Amino acid sequence: EKEMTQSPATLSVSPGERVTLSCRASQYVSSNLAWYQQIPGQAPRLLIYGVSTRATGVPDRFTGSGSGTEFTLTISSLQSEDFAVYYCQQYNHFPLITFGQGTRLEIK
Amino acid sequence: EVQLLESGGGLVQPGGSLRLSCAASGFTFSSYVMNWVRQAPGKGLEWVSSISGGGASTYYADSVKGRFTISRDNAKNTVYLQMNSLRVEDTAVYYCAKENRAQLARALCDIWGQGTMVTVSS
Repeated sequence: EKEMTQSPATLSVSPGERVTLSCRASQYVSSNLAWYQQIPGQAPRLLIYGVSTRATGVPDRFTGSGSGTEFTLTISSLQSEDFAVYYCQQYNHFPLITFGQGTRLEIK
Repeated sequence: EVQLLESGGGLVQPGGSLRLSCAASGFTFSSYVMNWVRQAPGKGLEWVSSISGGGASTYYADSVKGRFTISRDNAKNTVYLQMNSLRVEDTAVYYCAKENRAQLARALCDIWGQGTMVTVSS
């Protein structure tokens, strides 16, 4: 299975801080890596695809980077609406699609 | 405005069946692969199935292959998920999601419905 491992599982941060979330693929996924944000009780929202391309309407405080098997999502200055769960997804091996287990951002 | 609206969830006994529907609006439905993604209570996201724009190609996760069938009616702008031989572990919120780019099948989902809850329990 093409596993995606996210770290940390939970991150406690204060508004205004800069945070970096990590995602590691068990196999090479090229640039076919996406990030989603899910606020509790809501559907996921596409944030980033192609490693670093922001989806429509996503603020530029969200930045994706990485290559091959190691990827990061950086939020430059956390806003209150950013506290959520973030999932990475590889779509390089369609239809063998896999998501990471998620990183929860909590307010410190 | 692009919208997806799922329906058909509910409580079903193990071994039972359920059909989910997802009504789409605001885009050229037949040009896009449509996907189903599920989320068990308190858990992460799991891709379930995808169907090409014309409906000729379908794809399934191993966990549902042989039990679930995806289909679409482009005249009604609706995608379906027929779920048979349901198991307790199929309990989840099921999301319908639109592919990001027309004619591509990647399960890269840019628009999601609000989800419909399926509970499999005796």
